[in-house]
Amino acid sequence: GAGVSQTPSNKVTEKGKYVELRCDPISGHTALYWYRQSLGQGPEFLIYFQGTGAADDSGLPNDRFFAVRPEGSVSTLKIQRTERGDSAVYLCASSPGLAGGQDTQYFGPGTRLTVL
Amino acid sequence: QKEVEQDPGPLSVPEGAIVSLNCTYSNSAFQYFMWYRQYSRKGPELLMYTYSSGNKEDGRFTAQVDKSSKYISLFIRDSQPSDSATYLCAISNSGGSNYKLTFGKGTLLTVNP
Repeated sequence: GAGVSQTPSNKVTEKGKYVELRCDPISGHTALYWYRQSLGQGPEFLIYFQGTGAADDSGLPNDRFFAVRPEGSVSTLKIQRTERGDSAVYLCASSPGLAGGQDTQYFGPGTRLTVL
Repeated sequence: QKEVEQDPGPLSVPEGAIVSLNCTYSNSAFQYFMWYRQYSRKGPELLMYTYSSGNKEDGRFTAQVDKSSKYISLFIRDSQPSDSATYLCAISNSGGSNYKLTFGKGTLLTVNP
């Protein structure tokens, strides 16, 4: 079946602009995650959704970052007043939402954001 | 000190070599240990998952966890050019926050034909 998809694959914007990054999870997965991967680093956790609600947004770096998942499927990560330091690959992952034990996270290919 | 330390390499080996990749971690609350493989310009994909100390084998891959030393390893036997990728260790807590993966920096591996 189809994996996690993310659009756009690349986004170039100017400092100060607003951007939206979209994630389509695997069908039926109730849990969704956003991570940010800077050059030469491992992914860093941003936010976790269980269904429609953000269960943990402790990784969002500041209030310029916001994410929604209004119908419990597609999610959008929104970044206001972008800064050059926001340049990174933004990864989305989804998982079945199994209780207890390991709930395997399946990653999308990422959106490469470049802020000029 | 970062919660998860991983030597970024790069590591270059000839085809057929045995590869050893390692991570150390600082938080004894970590209970789930994973290895992800990430090809260039792709998302990470799960290779191995372990929960307890000891070894877990899957084909040419063996994951090893030593909780007493807070040390995890991934061994690749008979390495192939198609194994060339970045390998990321990832760790999470048990209990309510086990969804939050903490990744190492990743080790870039090149297997030369």
